[in-house]
Amino acid sequence: DTGVSQNPRHKITKRGQNVTFRCDPISEHNRLYWYRQTLGQGPEFLTYFQNEAQLEKSRLLSDRFSAERPKGSFSTLEIQRTEQGDSAMYLCASSLARQEGMGRNTGELFFGEGSRLTVL
Amino acid sequence: QQPVQSPQAVILREGEDAVINCSSSKALYSVHWYRQKHGEAPVFLMILLKGGEQKGHEKISASFNEKKQQSSLYLTASQLSYSGTYFCGTDQQGGKLIFGQGTELSVKP
Repeated sequence: DTGVSQNPRHKITKRGQNVTFRCDPISEHNRLYWYRQTLGQGPEFLTYFQNEAQLEKSRLLSDRFSAERPKGSFSTLEIQRTEQGDSAMYLCASSLARQEGMGRNTGELFFGEGSRLTVL
Repeated sequence: QQPVQSPQAVILREGEDAVINCSSSKALYSVHWYRQKHGEAPVFLMILLKGGEQKGHEKISASFNEKKQQSSLYLTASQLSYSGTYFCGTDQQGGKLIFGQGTELSVKP
């Protein structure tokens, strides 16, 4: 157990429905990341936060995806009008980034167990 | 831009050594290494920073060639528990990690 928890662990939904995933990071961590992983592939970057600010969102990410981290603690990832291609494992990770120079991350990522989405 | 890992897969006998490589076309600030076992989340192994700082597990070693934007992970005297998929993650600037496609390592008795 890394201390990062994700809910729900599994979600089966029908195409066109909305789904929301929640991530609770390690409490003192200031950075939170969302990744998507499909079988046989590496984690694909979706977005990340520094405290409550969303610093970057993948250009490949559809507008149907939105993420929030309202108080700089937990985060939610919402997928609207789900498609079968959204089926994947959604991983959340947190880290403690030391602010060096341009604020680059020198902390390792702690991953949650993931939320598996199946779109029928 | 996604880093390229090689080899894609490797099979070892217990006690053998292996090297996994990670290459980027962009200048890097840091390289991370993670191992993922089937059905589990990736677990941190090592981070190598520009300038030479490293931190990670004692039994894992790695190198980072800043000029070539390459990193290598060295697994020595492999054990059955080393089996899994190894990912490198590269950080160009700003702190997001981009992961490679992975190297699947199988250690046989």
